[in-house]
Amino acid sequence: NAGVMQNPRHLVRRRGQEARLRCSPMKGHSHVYWYRQLPEEGLKFMVYLQKENIIDESGMPKERFSAEFPKEGPSILRIQQVVRGDSAAYFCASSRQNTGELFFGEGSRLTVL
Amino acid sequence: KNEVEQSPQNLTAQEGEFITINCSYSVGISALHWLQQHPGGGIVSLFMLSSGKKKHGRLIATINIQEKHSSLHITASHPRDSAVYICAVRSEETSGSRLTFGEGTQLTVNP
Repeated sequence: NAGVMQNPRHLVRRRGQEARLRCSPMKGHSHVYWYRQLPEEGLKFMVYLQKENIIDESGMPKERFSAEFPKEGPSILRIQQVVRGDSAAYFCASSRQNTGELFFGEGSRLTVL
Repeated sequence: KNEVEQSPQNLTAQEGEFITINCSYSVGISALHWLQQHPGGGIVSLFMLSSGKKKHGRLIATINIQEKHSSLHITASHPRDSAVYICAVRSEETSGSRLTFGEGTQLTVNP
């Protein structure tokens, strides 16, 4: 049973480009969470999704960021027109139930030049 | 003041020592998580607690709901335990498993 899979592990973008980060939850998990870890800072919640629904996006920046978790395929965190301040590690976690144990991916490390 | 405070921020120990990392929080919670993060690596969930005590190998986690405090203990520490340990809480009021994180404790165990 594969764990939470994130890709790419490392992504380099120039300012103004788009970044797409993908997360495949563990088998049987329908709840997905995205967290951001800025350099030298702690983890911060971004968004919580279930299949085809955004449940809580209160941690997402209002502009340029969006997330989806389609019926088929991975969850995607999309950042449009990236800026240097978006450089961070983005972690995905999944759970079977909304109050269940969380399993984290290895993270995607975005560097904006 | 952060909702979740960890102490110490940094901890250096000699191999074999008993280690304690503390976590205090200021909100009502439904669960508390202890996580481990290695440099440049992913995050591993060590424990999820809502009361009492849990043990896994050399790791022990306790929580006191009335005092809003949790501790993570490592017995017979080893250099491979060197990592950042993060306390995270799930508030009673937030949706699903949205977590609020402490700043982490950097543990270094020297041989």
